[in-house]
Amino acid sequence: GDSVTQMEGPVTLSEEAFLTINCTYTATGYPSLFWYVQYPGEGLQLLLKATKADDKGSNKGFEATYRKETTSFHLEKGSVQVSDSAVYFCALTLYRATGTASKLTFGTGTRLQVTL
Amino acid sequence: DTAVSQTPKYLVTQMGNDKSIKCEQNLGHDTMYWYKQDSKKFLKIMFSYNNKELIINETVPNRFSPKSPDKAHLNLHINSLELGDSAVYFCASSHGTGNSPLHFGNGTRLTVT
Repeated sequence: GDSVTQMEGPVTLSEEAFLTINCTYTATGYPSLFWYVQYPGEGLQLLLKATKADDKGSNKGFEATYRKETTSFHLEKGSVQVSDSAVYFCALTLYRATGTASKLTFGTGTRLQVTL
Repeated sequence: DTAVSQTPKYLVTQMGNDKSIKCEQNLGHDTMYWYKQDSKKFLKIMFSYNNKELIINETVPNRFSPKSPDKAHLNLHINSLELGDSAVYFCASSHGTGNSPLHFGNGTRLTVT
């Protein structure tokens, strides 16, 4: 079945450090890929997405490129801030016909802790 | 301005009780979901409704019964609560266009004692 594998956390970085959170996937078709972020006590928020190979999603300084050849969608940010401390989830969904649900498959999440 | 709202935010109850969690979205979406997040933060889909019709029903005990009175609401009723039901339950919604991103509520933390 479809699955998403993320690097184990927690990831602890100093402010302004470079961030990479690895994500690889297994899917039977051509998935759309997402990164969601969960701040403490809140629900998940969409951070960025990519819907086809070689697409780059970006938002708030975060980037991820859909790499079909390596089945990866690694999340990167050049300079993290304390406010980026959260749990980050990689997810995929396979295309379904209009009028049906987006059945997201999530990775296990990676906790990021940024310190001063 | 809350897009997806759930109530209650916290729910503490004893084993064997019956409880409900309510969810409402004002985004005009036609698809709504319930996800369960366990203590290790793992998220798993439970149910999904599209235009009030159940379209995803994962292997969830039949003690869990979703109800969608209209497109903007999806409630979750749980009978005979068990210790293992303790988790955070998230409601979400999306446009029913196949790979649309989900918008999540802030979760309901259920603790069964």
